[in-house]
Amino acid sequence: KNEVEQSPQNLTAQEGEFITINCSYSVGISALHWLQQHPGGGIVSLFMLSSGKKKHGRLIATINIQEKHSSLHITASHPRDSAVYICAVTKYNNNDMRFGAGTRLTVKP
Amino acid sequence: DVKVTQSSRYLVKRTGEKVFLECVQDMDHENMFWYRQDPGLGLRLIYFSYDVKMKEKGDIPEGYSVSREKKERFSLILESASTNQTSMYLCASSPGTGALNTEAFFGQGTRLTVV
Repeated sequence: KNEVEQSPQNLTAQEGEFITINCSYSVGISALHWLQQHPGGGIVSLFMLSSGKKKHGRLIATINIQEKHSSLHITASHPRDSAVYICAVTKYNNNDMRFGAGTRLTVKP
Repeated sequence: DVKVTQSSRYLVKRTGEKVFLECVQDMDHENMFWYRQDPGLGLRLIYFSYDVKMKEKGDIPEGYSVSREKKERFSLILESASTNQTSMYLCASSPGTGALNTEAFFGQGTRLTVV
């Protein structure tokens, strides 16, 4: 079983919809990351969090350490949000990162 | 602006060739990583390095080797390329253990096709 599980694998939404992507992990972590990968391959870090909630523009990331679960929310989604969103964790006490398989989001106009 | 730079965006190599993928970071990070990314499997760690001349095997090191002669440069070597090494390769770097911010920074990726 993968140490980091994401759902859904694929998500199609209409412009303006509220989107949630979920991530569960099974290892002790020092941080959880949400990453965005656009076609062409480059990966950009959206959030790094170890507790609570962070907000950046229309993006919100939450983490529940006790439940080992995190969510990424996108409010008022837009076609330019279309990308693969990847959840990753930094394992506790080392800098080894483990990745989910990614969620491919398509936002239609 | 911080940067992780991979030497090539696209490469096509023949089976049996020795292939070098280069990665350079300008953030003075101790840790550097090589991953491959395949559909449905996510990113899988090939090798990582936490210091110059140090290296550790990741989950899938077979068929690969690495070199870190200088802090800013981490090279991935395919000793004899095979078609099952066709993939997207991503390099990343992060500060060393004990740093307050363990955020990782990624290169643009190299899409390697072995024919």
